[in-house]
Amino acid sequence: QQPVQSPQAVILREGEDAVINCSSSKALYSVHWYRQKHGEAPVFLMILLKGGEQKGHEKISASFNEKKQQSSLYLTASQLSYSGTYFCGTGSYSGAGSYQLTFGKGTKLSVIP
Amino acid sequence: DAGVTQSPTHLIKTRGQHVTLRCSPISGHKSVSWYQQVLGQGPQFIFQYYEKEERGRGNFPDRFSARQFPNYSSELNVNALLLGDSALYLCASSLWAGTDNEQFFGPGTRLTVL
Repeated sequence: QQPVQSPQAVILREGEDAVINCSSSKALYSVHWYRQKHGEAPVFLMILLKGGEQKGHEKISASFNEKKQQSSLYLTASQLSYSGTYFCGTGSYSGAGSYQLTFGKGTKLSVIP
Repeated sequence: DAGVTQSPTHLIKTRGQHVTLRCSPISGHKSVSWYQQVLGQGPQFIFQYYEKEERGRGNFPDRFSARQFPNYSSELNVNALLLGDSALYLCASSLWAGTDNEQFFGPGTRLTVL
């Protein structure tokens, strides 16, 4: 099932902070965060794994609550370059060595001067 | 270092035709995943391949098929094209199968079905 992202859209002024949430009804092995600008491919931001391991960009932070199957992406001191659509992808395992990464519908972030 | 490459960049087909999309992963990556992205939506998982074997399949009809070659490049084939197949097709490469390692996306192939 597709994870649910909130909010759907947010407008920030440069320097403001934002939090994007992602929740799933399925047991998760991982949460992936990507940013996509119009007409471009998604760019990897961060991966969070069960057990607390995280890998990603230094200037971006995120949390993963395994029990609640929720993740949040924290964007601090936003810059104009942060504008784009943010997607969370939830990693699940469906047995027999079969994996799937399921993306939410995205959160559109606009940073204005 | 070269990133993920995909070809062609754009493609226009008519209903009922067949299409083949190609992907070359990042050097050293052994897994390739395919996604379909329609405007305004997140990427939707189609397949994951690792070491030439299918390791995941999304909810797509049998008209969609894929394979991975010994050099880890991959092809996505779509038969009997429908108007609804018009989308951006993304390929992502990763070191190994599963969802516990980063996936890096290529620029995509924009498919238009008329």
